[in-house]
Amino acid sequence: QVQLQESGPALVKPSETLSLTCTVSGDSVSSGTYYWTWIRQPPGKGLEWIGYIHYSGNTVYNPSLESRVTILMDTSKNHFSLDLTSVGAADTALYYCARSRSDSGFGRYSDYWGQGTLVTVSS
Amino acid sequence: DIVMTQSPDSLAVSLGERATINCKSSHSVLYSSNNKNYFAWYQQKPGQPPKLLISWASTRESGVPDRFSGSGSGTDFTLTISSLQAEDVAVYYCQQYYGLPYTFGQGTKLEIK
Repeated sequence: QVQLQESGPALVKPSETLSLTCTVSGDSVSSGTYYWTWIRQPPGKGLEWIGYIHYSGNTVYNPSLESRVTILMDTSKNHFSLDLTSVGAADTALYYCARSRSDSGFGRYSDYWGQGTLVTVSS
Repeated sequence: DIVMTQSPDSLAVSLGERATINCKSSHSVLYSSNNKNYFAWYQQKPGQPPKLLISWASTRESGVPDRFSGSGSGTDFTLTISSLQAEDVAVYYCQQYYGLPYTFGQGTKLEIK
């Protein structure tokens, strides 16, 4: 059974960097079949797709966050990470990692999700 | 960005009755080369992550009860729950994965009447 688990600080100060890790079990991030994704959800609000990384090194980010986001992969630890720089109150959210797949070329939907981790930006 | 608009924002349905949620995209998510709609539905129960119900507009994920069905093409899509059960209380989200960035609808809250 595929499981994903987010980890990282629950509180980040404004202007600092939010750093999260997603540890994967039951699958390998280097399998090449899937794309490893970050999605966030501000409290009481909807879902925002942040971006994904593939084993090949291909990364795609949401243009609204692209200047501040980096997603990396560590195959030796079977995890991937999210860094979001210069955070502000608007970055307070539940951050989910997910496995994404496509059965047909481009376009990837997320079939397994972590439980999410709440990150609050506050001084 | 492709904007996804769900209707209604909230819905109350009696147990055993049909529930219908709609989603409209600002751009067609049908890829003509393979005739596939790059469109999914997710269910999010309180305190839980979203769960994939349906991909490609109408393909149910393994283990999803057959009372859930998806339909539609191009820009207009529908999620139907044929006979509402108590465990179906949740927020439902649509998503397009046709164009980057992938985008979600604002969510529809489904409750028991």
